[in-house]
Amino acid sequence: EAQVTQNPRYLITVTGKKLTVTCSQNMNHEYMSWYRQDPGLGLRQIYYSMNVEVTDKGDVPEGYKVSRKEKRNFPLILESPSPNQTSLYFCASSSGYRVYNSPLHFGNGTRLTVT
Amino acid sequence: AQKITQTQPGMFVQEKEAVTLDCTYDTSDQSYGLFWYKQPSSGEMIFLIYQGSYDEQNATEGRYSLNFQKARKSANLVISASQLGDSAMYFCAMREGNAGNMLTFGGGTRLMVKP
Repeated sequence: EAQVTQNPRYLITVTGKKLTVTCSQNMNHEYMSWYRQDPGLGLRQIYYSMNVEVTDKGDVPEGYKVSRKEKRNFPLILESPSPNQTSLYFCASSSGYRVYNSPLHFGNGTRLTVT
Repeated sequence: AQKITQTQPGMFVQEKEAVTLDCTYDTSDQSYGLFWYKQPSSGEMIFLIYQGSYDEQNATEGRYSLNFQKARKSANLVISASQLGDSAMYFCAMREGNAGNMLTFGGGTRLMVKP
């Protein structure tokens, strides 16, 4: 089944403790990205990647890191999480050909709480 | 200026009736894609339907259709024969050819289907 898999679904952590949210897709998509969703602010892009070893900042990249060493994986790293990073996070992927024509396929989301 | 505007924060519809969710967009690009997503209370983001800026026919996917009026820059989602399981948040989104990486979302419409 074609899907984007992100783990964990739920995560509660404390300020400053490094964490990684994993994301993997099995659709051979070139394009991958991370979004966060917050009440009143909607969905905002954190980082995206057009292909392996190519990453770029989205609208809200501060406090996050990403890497794209393999086509299928695009982990999101919070080196020193803070309470304002409490949010619902989505990983998504799409074809890299005519990107504007390609729907983003989303993972099931990771609900992160930083205390 | 908002790129995607959804003017209906919440709507009710009677089961088995049709409902239209409004979406207007703003872009100067000639090449763009418009997408609708459904987010049930469980949180996942489900792709429903896509319309390309060069498509002359309105898109349809099962009970979903997209009423695309390019001159008015509107892309309304029509759900026919509403079901209880259609109760969810619905997001209109756009990818632009000149900024093809990011999916820009509207604020969403919460649809509630009454039995």
